[in-house]
Amino acid sequence: NAGVTQTPKFQVLKTGQSMTLQCAQDMNHEYMSWYRQDPGMGLRLIHYSVGAGITDQGEVPNGYNVSRSTTEDFPLRLLSAAPSQTSVYFCASSYSTASSYEQYFGPGTRLTVT
Amino acid sequence: AQSVTQLGSHVSVSEGALVLLRCNYSSSVPPYLFWYVQYPNQGLQLLLKYTSAATLVKGINGFEAEFKKSETSFHLTKPSAHMSDAAEYFCAVSKPTLYSNYQLIWGAGTKLIIKP
Repeated sequence: NAGVTQTPKFQVLKTGQSMTLQCAQDMNHEYMSWYRQDPGMGLRLIHYSVGAGITDQGEVPNGYNVSRSTTEDFPLRLLSAAPSQTSVYFCASSYSTASSYEQYFGPGTRLTVT
Repeated sequence: AQSVTQLGSHVSVSEGALVLLRCNYSSSVPPYLFWYVQYPNQGLQLLLKYTSAATLVKGINGFEAEFKKSETSFHLTKPSAHMSDAAEYFCAVSKPTLYSNYQLIWGAGTKLIIKP
């Protein structure tokens, strides 16, 4: 199993540009989520999905869109990039939506918005 | 509302010394608690978790944590630090959500520095 994969690893955008961060998992996990990690703030949940066709907002959803058309893929779209979206983005997945299950993380995408 | 507080953004210990990373939580319902580790330029991986079974939980790489309800704490310990333990450690608590009872609330992280 490749686990959770994310592309690209690094990205530089100009303010106002849009892009999609890709996330895929091959473990048939039901639950997937996107986090951003900023220094001294831990991880903050952007959006999550409990199955194909079902998504919901997390703590910091503004400026981001998601969709989940398949179990495997959960892309994150930045609609109009802003410098405040400079961060490291992690995708994670979990076998179950039950709260006792661990999350598996991708290696991250480091995004800089100038 | 649930929250997690990790005391100390940086903790420095000598190789071979005891490691103690502190985590306090607040939760209106019985929580599930997790410790994750992040090595440089990598994603996070699970160290251990508490899910209302034994209060002393053993994890990977010799780490363990004890759930103390009276103190609302879930501190992470390791008897003897190794250079390979240098990483950032995150404590997290689970929170009910609209579709499921699974949303993690994360602490800010503690960077563990090992001195030779």
